[in-house]
Amino acid sequence: AQSVTQLDSHVSVSEGTPVLLRCNYSSSYSPSLFWYVQHPNKGLQLLLKYTSAATLVKGINGFEAEFKKSETSFHLTKPSAHMSDAAEYFCVPRAGGNEKLTFGTGTRLTIIP
Amino acid sequence: KAGVTQTPRYLIKTRGQQVTLSCSPISGHRSVSWYQQTPGQGLQFLFEYFSETQRNKGNFPGRFSGRQFSNSRSEMNVSTLELGDSALYLCASSLIRGGTGELFFGEGSRLTVL
Repeated sequence: AQSVTQLDSHVSVSEGTPVLLRCNYSSSYSPSLFWYVQHPNKGLQLLLKYTSAATLVKGINGFEAEFKKSETSFHLTKPSAHMSDAAEYFCVPRAGGNEKLTFGTGTRLTIIP
Repeated sequence: KAGVTQTPRYLIKTRGQQVTLSCSPISGHRSVSWYQQTPGQGLQFLFEYFSETQRNKGNFPGRFSGRQFSNSRSEMNVSTLELGDSALYLCASSLIRGGTGELFFGEGSRLTVL
């Protein structure tokens, strides 16, 4: 079964500084991995996804993530935080069709002006 | 094209009542899944429908049920509401099941049980 661990429940960074949101996955094989963002009282929006092509994946709004099989990690980064990045972020593994989708516990990102 | 539409967006019920939530997927998407989001439990999978058949079910009691129609629209029903059912219920649609299929989420239906 697929599972992920989001290592930080809450991250605070100052506007203009780098963002790092950590995700480790647990799987017997390389899964597809997604990062979703949820702004308050909204649904989830896909930021980026890894599907065994390039290990460095670029997403929307300047976010990117690197798949590291040796570390079983898929951390999300952004060089410079913006106030609009304040939201909750979810790391999600996906496998085959017969899956019960599981989400990470989420990381709440706060941006300090 | 239009995104995933969930109705109603907000509703208030009392304990013991039942509720039906609706989800219209993106045109052409045949997979619809439902999730419950609460501060304590986070995002939890409820069930998935594909081609009018329930393909997977999460660990929720039988009070939670759903169905999918021939046009891929889906409804979920919660009977005998309890206070703990207060949550944001999210629906997502996907072109394919699992794998690399991206989920497209609606904005959710926020249920408050008094």
